[in-house]
Amino acid sequence: QVTLRESGPALVKPTQTLTLTCTFSGFSLSTSGMCVSWIRQPPGKALEWLARIDWDDDKYYSTSLKTRLTISKDTSKNQVVLTMTNMDPVDTATYYCARSNRGDGLDYWGQGTLVTVSS
Amino acid sequence: DIQMTQSPSSLSASVGDRVTITCRASQSISSYLNWYQQKPGKAPKLLIYAASSLQSGVPSRFSGSGSGTDFTLTISSLQPEDFATYYCQQSYHPQLTFGGGTKVEIK
Repeated sequence: QVTLRESGPALVKPTQTLTLTCTFSGFSLSTSGMCVSWIRQPPGKALEWLARIDWDDDKYYSTSLKTRLTISKDTSKNQVVLTMTNMDPVDTATYYCARSNRGDGLDYWGQGTLVTVSS
Repeated sequence: DIQMTQSPSSLSASVGDRVTITCRASQSISSYLNWYQQKPGKAPKLLIYAASSLQSGVPSRFSGSGSGTDFTLTISSLQPEDFATYYCQQSYHPQLTFGGGTKVEIK
């Protein structure tokens, strides 16, 4: 069965770099069409898509955040890593990773990890 | 970026009511439109993909329609477990975007 799990620090200081890892099972990111996205949700607010990496290593980023984001994958470890630089309190959110198949919906999600940005 | 606009942002309804939520894209997205349900403290759940296809395991009271720029999610008879926030999302362009959400509350 497909599962995804996010991991990373619960608290980061302003200006620091956040590194989040999505560890998944039940599918391979080397399979044609498979994609993993990162999405975040500030407390009480809407979902915001951040980045996506595809089976062929194509990468896509939110226009508003692309200068701060880097997404990468380690197919052998079944992991996708997202880094976000220069963290600010407005980046406080629950961060999710999710799977999709090309243009289909995000059909499996991790449980999310809350990241708080505070000094 | 493709902007997704949902309406209304919230609504109050009773059990058994028919509920309709709309989503408009800033440009044509063909049928690359997905709907999600999110309950407090939980990850979103995919309900409808490709505008009108029901995700496996989702009750048939949920349906989706539309193409191009205008889309609709309908709940034919609202059940107690359907009180949640609903989001649309386009997957036409790989820079995915979500709508602002519609909170369905108990009247």
